[in-house]
Amino acid sequence: SQQGEEDPQALSIQEGENATMNCSYKTSINNLQWYRQNSGRGLVHLILIRSNEREKHSGRLRVTLDTSKKSSSLLITASRAADTASYFCATDPNNAGNMLTFGGGTRLMVKP
Amino acid sequence: DAGVIQSPRHEVTEMGQEVTLRCKPISGHDYLFWYRQTMMRGLELLIYFNNNVPIDDSGMPEDRFSAKMPNASFSTLKIQPSEPRDSAVYFCASRLPGTKRPYEQYFGPGTRLTVT
Repeated sequence: SQQGEEDPQALSIQEGENATMNCSYKTSINNLQWYRQNSGRGLVHLILIRSNEREKHSGRLRVTLDTSKKSSSLLITASRAADTASYFCATDPNNAGNMLTFGGGTRLMVKP
Repeated sequence: DAGVIQSPRHEVTEMGQEVTLRCKPISGHDYLFWYRQTMMRGLELLIYFNNNVPIDDSGMPEDRFSAKMPNASFSTLKIQPSEPRDSAVYFCASRLPGTKRPYEQYFGPGTRLTVT
């Protein structure tokens, strides 16, 4: 079963707009990761946030984590057509970086 | 350095045939993971190895699936006999030892398997 569930399942925006994706999970975690998957390709790691962190930034990415609500959000600012991809959250309950459980993903389309 | 290499990229086979998927992890990575991705079930971890030893295979669907890692630079995932419900994209991933950026997994391009 999937630990994380992304919301929305699909998102379509115009270039330059911000995109926000949410992830909810069920059990306690030590860290949560976000990955990107371009069509027909493997997943690429974007960012990791630990359970004792509330917010983290990396370039145009901003990730938040609310452990009380068991939820995380990924914000992509000033989106570009190249950001078109599926985005997955992955939870790591054992903090060992191995038994990752991925959500169903959000398909983001950025129109030029 | 090359990324994770998987072969073949596409495989079409008939039900009942044996299928072997191959993976070469990134040099220096001592963890290797096999995942399966389908529309219905999403991305599932099948099995992972550390230093060529299988650590957790609880995600392997059934005895028709087997995985080996005979050395640090090669792993196989075998399905025998294959069934149409095995159709999926199979990903291999690897990561560095625990002392170096332990959490980031590097994925290969995947093998798209179609069983008719």
